[in-house]
Amino acid sequence: GAVVSQHPSRVICKSGTSVKIECRSLDFQATTMFWYRQFPKQSLMLMATSNEGSKATYEQGVEKDKFLINHASLTLSTLTVTSAHPEDSSFYICSARDPGTGLVGKQYFGPGTRLTVT
Amino acid sequence: GDSVTQMEGPVTLSEEAFLTINCTYTATGYPSLFWYVQYPGEGLQLLLKATKADDKGSNKGFEATYRKETTSFHLEKGSVQVSDSAVYFCAEEGNTPLVFGKGTRLSVIA
Repeated sequence: GAVVSQHPSRVICKSGTSVKIECRSLDFQATTMFWYRQFPKQSLMLMATSNEGSKATYEQGVEKDKFLINHASLTLSTLTVTSAHPEDSSFYICSARDPGTGLVGKQYFGPGTRLTVT
Repeated sequence: GDSVTQMEGPVTLSEEAFLTINCTYTATGYPSLFWYVQYPGEGLQLLLKATKADDKGSNKGFEATYRKETTSFHLEKGSVQVSDSAVYFCAEEGNTPLVFGKGTRLSVIA
């Protein structure tokens, strides 16, 4: 099946620094990608919808200046956590929608990135 | 906004036991409904889905029926295996992108 990769899988950074997470669709072109955040023992919270060639759409309560999303190509979206703080430590998951399947909800999920801010 | 509520875990079952994980949704109209599974160390995978009322989604021995009258999409399996140990997420997609439940961790012991 379709594959979505994320890099890095784990990252530790110091408070105040920025970290970039990449999400790639490996065998299809994704016009739409999604970024989620998963808290321990909680569900995935949609942070933003990333559309290729246009600005991302952020969910209510998500700071767009803190979580910068760039969807520069049909196979790559990046999430940059700027001026990271310990409370940003979390599991970040991306997903990509394959428009070619014509099936509802055909989203493929990446394996996630564990961010730890010290 | 829309929300999905699923039974809280963890759920621990013996091999070959019957599994039910309840899920209800709040979206109006006829949203598409999904169950995703997250195996240890892996990303989310679509397990099954249903797109209209009374549809039954099935895969790998798991089933769920879209019940409009009770706004439910309960996941069932007649005989679980150790390899089914994972976290299961119910989700709905109506007028908004996927909305997930909190997930239910299932542990199956031999």
